[in-house]
This record gives sequence, structure tokens and C-alpha cells, in this order.
Amino acid sequence: ETGVTQSPTHLIKTRGQQVTLRCSSQSGHNTVSWYQQALGQGPQFIFQYYREEENGRGNFPPRFSGLQFPNYSSELNVNALELDDSALYLCASSPDLPSTDTQYFGPGTRLTVL
Amino acid sequence: AQTVTQSQPEMSVQEAETVTLSCTYDTSESDYYLFWYKQPPSRQMILVIRQEAYKQQNATENRFSVNFQKAAKSFSLKISDSQLGDAAMYFCAYRSAMLDSGYALNFGKGTSLLVTP
Repeated sequence: ETGVTQSPTHLIKTRGQQVTLRCSSQSGHNTVSWYQQALGQGPQFIFQYYREEENGRGNFPPRFSGLQFPNYSSELNVNALELDDSALYLCASSPDLPSTDTQYFGPGTRLTVL
Repeated sequence: AQTVTQSQPEMSVQEAETVTLSCTYDTSESDYYLFWYKQPPSRQMILVIRQEAYKQQNATENRFSVNFQKAAKSFSLKISDSQLGDAAMYFCAYRSAMLDSGYALNFGKGTSLLVTP
């Protein structure tokens, strides 16, 4: 059983650019959540996808958007990058929506916006 | 919105000793889940232990156990026989059992645990 993987590991962008981050869920998992972790802080919930539909969203502007594909891999897209978007972006997958399921995290993508 | 507070930014423990990390949370819900995650320098968030609010019995996973006090809204993590590999950031997290929450995890700011030989 493979775990959650994310790509790329590190990324450097300039202000105003757009970025796409990718996540492959753990085998058999159909729910994926994305989190932003600023330096020295706990992760903040961005949004969650369940069977290709957005299932919940945190307090992030619309320029943060996502997709989940039929194979349950996922993308996080951020438009018009700002300096404050510099952070570690984590995705987490879980087997299904029932609330007893634990979320399993990937290693994250470190985004630096200059 | 639920808030999670970890009042200890840093803790230190000697190898083989016991340490307790504190966590309090604020909620008006009666059904929810609490978690402790460990984040080593490799950055990957690893689940340490999980507690369902409707269970009175404290969860235990090998050297890790929790003291869950629902009325006090307190959820502390005890690490026994500390090992060098336990050194990491530890995050306490809350998740509602309500469907309309999207099952988002609400994290505290973390406690950095240092283990000394």
C-alpha cells in the first residue's frame, strides 16, 4: 500500500504568478483535504474534495481552487500569488467521508513566493 | 469556529523519562474527534493517537496515552519512556463530527519537543 505523495517537493515563484501543486492519495482513499502551514504555525484547512466534488472550504479566497480526478489524485491551484502564500502545503487523504476516518498526510510542498 | 490551544511552545524531556503535552479546545458540540499528530523535521505529519469524544476511556498507543477531560475541554498527551526519535513538533487537532464541517481538522500552533540523551 503506497502512502500519500505530493509533487513537487519545493517550488519558487514570483508574486502574481500561478502555481499548481499535486497530490496522489493513498490507495483506496476517495477523500482529499488540503492545508496551508505557515512557518511556525499549525496547518490551516483550505478545502476538501470527496469523489471529485468540493465538500468543505476554509477561510481562503477564491484564487485558491482545486480539482480531484477520477483516480482520486488532486490538484491545488493558486492564482495571483502573494508573498503571504509562502508556506508548506499539505494534502491528506482518508478512506471515505464517515467521520470516523483519520486523515493521512503527505510530505508537503514548500512554496516560496518572491 | 472551534479553537485549539497549545500553551507550551517548547518542552524538553530526558531520554527514558515521561513528558506531558497540554491541549485545550473550545467547542459547543458534543460529538467530535481529537487527534495528536507528530511532525518531525522531514515535515510529514504522522498520526500519533486519536480519541472519540463519546468514549470515556482514554486512548492508548504503546508509549503514548491521552488524558481526555471532556467537561474541562482538555486533551493532553503523555509520552512514556521518551526516545530520541520522539523529538518533533506535536500538534493537537480537533475535528467536528458534523457533515457540514467538511471534516476539517482544526490544529493548535504546536509544541516543539526536545529529547536530550
